[in-house]
Amino acid sequence: LAKTTQPISMDSYEGQEVNITCSHNNIATNDYITWYQQFPSQGPRFIIQGYKTKVTNEVASLFIPADRKSSTLSLPRVSLSDTAVYYCLVFSSGSARQLTFGSGTQLTVLP
Amino acid sequence: ETGVTQTPRHLVMGMTNKKSLKCEQHLGHNAMYWYKQSAKKPLELMFVYNFKEQTENNSVPSRFSPECPNSSHLFLHLHTLQPEDSALYLCASSQDRGLAGVYEQYFGPGTRLTVT
Repeated sequence: LAKTTQPISMDSYEGQEVNITCSHNNIATNDYITWYQQFPSQGPRFIIQGYKTKVTNEVASLFIPADRKSSTLSLPRVSLSDTAVYYCLVFSSGSARQLTFGSGTQLTVLP
Repeated sequence: ETGVTQTPRHLVMGMTNKKSLKCEQHLGHNAMYWYKQSAKKPLELMFVYNFKEQTENNSVPSRFSPECPNSSHLFLHLHTLQPEDSALYLCASSQDRGLAGVYEQYFGPGTRLTVT
């Protein structure tokens, strides 16, 4: 199973772009990279998923370099409501469907 | 609203009680999951059901007993719990495409369990 490493916390100000990097050095060929957001006392919410290069949706962008040993979640122009824990997951659709959430990154957006 | 509901939202039980948590998904998914989230700890995957069959059991103590009668419903039966079992229990569902592709999980709001 690919283990992930993220910063424990990050602070930002409203309107700024936030980039959260996740390291996954032993990512396997079949593994995808997925990011979730979690507010206190709620279940995580899917943000974005990718395999390589760049993926963009209405909420965020995900940048994955060629070696896929890391990925960066980019949140454009954050607001106070983006304050949450962000999790990076790496898993494959193989037989061992274990979905391991690490400690995540606590993002605090300041006014 | 994610399409995954959980009841009850809050539960207080004594160590000798028996209770059940219920999860229902309205998304037509074929896989369902139970997670445990203790205070200031990462989510821990407990059980995975795929097409109603249990495919993962992450060394969960037998005082937690899952049941999946169909692909839309998932239960977690609780008995003789310990205070350290107090946590937020989250249910999730996904459309498992097997080797054909990966999937995203949709989580319910969770049940806040307190064991006294």
